[in-house]
Amino acid sequence: GENVEQHPSTLSVQEGDSAVIKCTYSDSASNYFPWYKQELGKRPQLIIDIRSNVGEKKDQRIAVTLNKTAKHFSLHITETQPEDSAVYFCAASKDSNYQLIWGAGTKLIIKP
Amino acid sequence: KAGVTQTPRYLIKTRGQQVTLSCSPISGHRSVSWYQQTPGQGLQFLFEYFSETQRNKGNFPGRFSGRQFSNSRSEMNVSTLELGDSALYLCASSLASPRTQYFGPGTRLTVL
Repeated sequence: GENVEQHPSTLSVQEGDSAVIKCTYSDSASNYFPWYKQELGKRPQLIIDIRSNVGEKKDQRIAVTLNKTAKHFSLHITETQPEDSAVYFCAASKDSNYQLIWGAGTKLIIKP
Repeated sequence: KAGVTQTPRYLIKTRGQQVTLSCSPISGHRSVSWYQQTPGQGLQFLFEYFSETQRNKGNFPGRFSGRQFSNSRSEMNVSTLELGDSALYLCASSLASPRTQYFGPGTRLTVL
């Protein structure tokens, strides 16, 4: 079945620097890739998503890129701020059953 | 619209007991998914219900079960509780497919 690997498990960056989290998926039929952010003690929330007919999508300081050939997609956060500290989860799904397959999560730490 | 609600928010049980958790989705949402989250762990998928039918199921033992009512509210039941069942249980609702999920605040279950 589908498998999603997420790296790194922990990422520590200086405030103001950029952060990149990468996910790889195994099922080439996957065509929807969302990213969720879970702050400490809170519920996961969708922050950005991308479909396979698009190579890149941006929303202010965050962007997601998709490489269908290599079967990986990445979350990019620029000009990181303290409020970006959280656990980020990637996921993948396909049209046949829409079920989200989740990555293991990345804990992002923003150092002041 | 009101968000996803879960009751109770906190629960303490002892080994061998059973527990029922409840999830009320966003009005109009027909898909409800359940997840188990333990400290430092990701989102472990339990099952997904759509129109009162279990549509997808994760790799959990039969002690974990669920159901969905005609108003889309969902319950999950864990029988013969084990210490390892201590976790945050999250439910998430979606309009139809479980691709864009809105999470509830979770129920924190402690098994003593």
